[in-house]
Amino acid sequence: KAGVTQTPRYLIKTRGQQVTLSCSPISGHRSVSWYQQTPGQGLQFLFEYFSETQRNKGNFPGRFSGRQFSNSRSEMNVSTLELGDSALYLCASSTRDPSTDTQYFGPGTRLTVL
Amino acid sequence: QKEVEQNSGPLSVPEGAIASLNCTYSDRGSQSFFWYRQYSGKSPELIMSIYSNGDKEDGRFTAQLNKASQYVSLLIRDSQPSDSATYLCAVEGPGVDSSYKLIFGSGTRLLVRP
Repeated sequence: KAGVTQTPRYLIKTRGQQVTLSCSPISGHRSVSWYQQTPGQGLQFLFEYFSETQRNKGNFPGRFSGRQFSNSRSEMNVSTLELGDSALYLCASSTRDPSTDTQYFGPGTRLTVL
Repeated sequence: QKEVEQNSGPLSVPEGAIASLNCTYSDRGSQSFFWYRQYSGKSPELIMSIYSNGDKEDGRFTAQLNKASQYVSLLIRDSQPSDSATYLCAVEGPGVDSSYKLIFGSGTRLLVRP
């Protein structure tokens, strides 16, 4: 099976711009979670989507949003970019089956905000 | 108090030795526990998952869980230089609607000396 894919892999934006990141889960996985990783804060949960609905949200401002499509692909959007948004953005997919609820990570999108 | 705590290291061990990585968590209701390995510049890769008290072995890796003490550990036997990486402990956090939210520790950097 192909793994989780994320596009683009690298992005450079300037403050005030907006950005959209894409994640395609492992085939058959219907849950997609997004995480932000920075050297200072580590890996932090952004939100999770399942069946096109946001099921949980972390402690991030409303500038961070997402959506999921009927084929389980997910996008994450960050508006009005700030320097502090520079990070590795990771998505993870899972089956959401309680017996095998492991999350598998994609390669990430490295966002640099100048 | 952080929800998931790990010693940041680095933990330095000689090749062939046993590396012991530890993690404590604060939410007594947590049911699922994971160890991820992350090489520099890469995304986290699942090493082990554990759900019940006791030991779980997979090759050179053994995860240990003690829910009463809110403690989870990872032992790596016959450590190899290729095991040098950051090891992330993750605990499935509380969430509404049974959603999947991983809370990560800050990671322990392991260095295996040849």
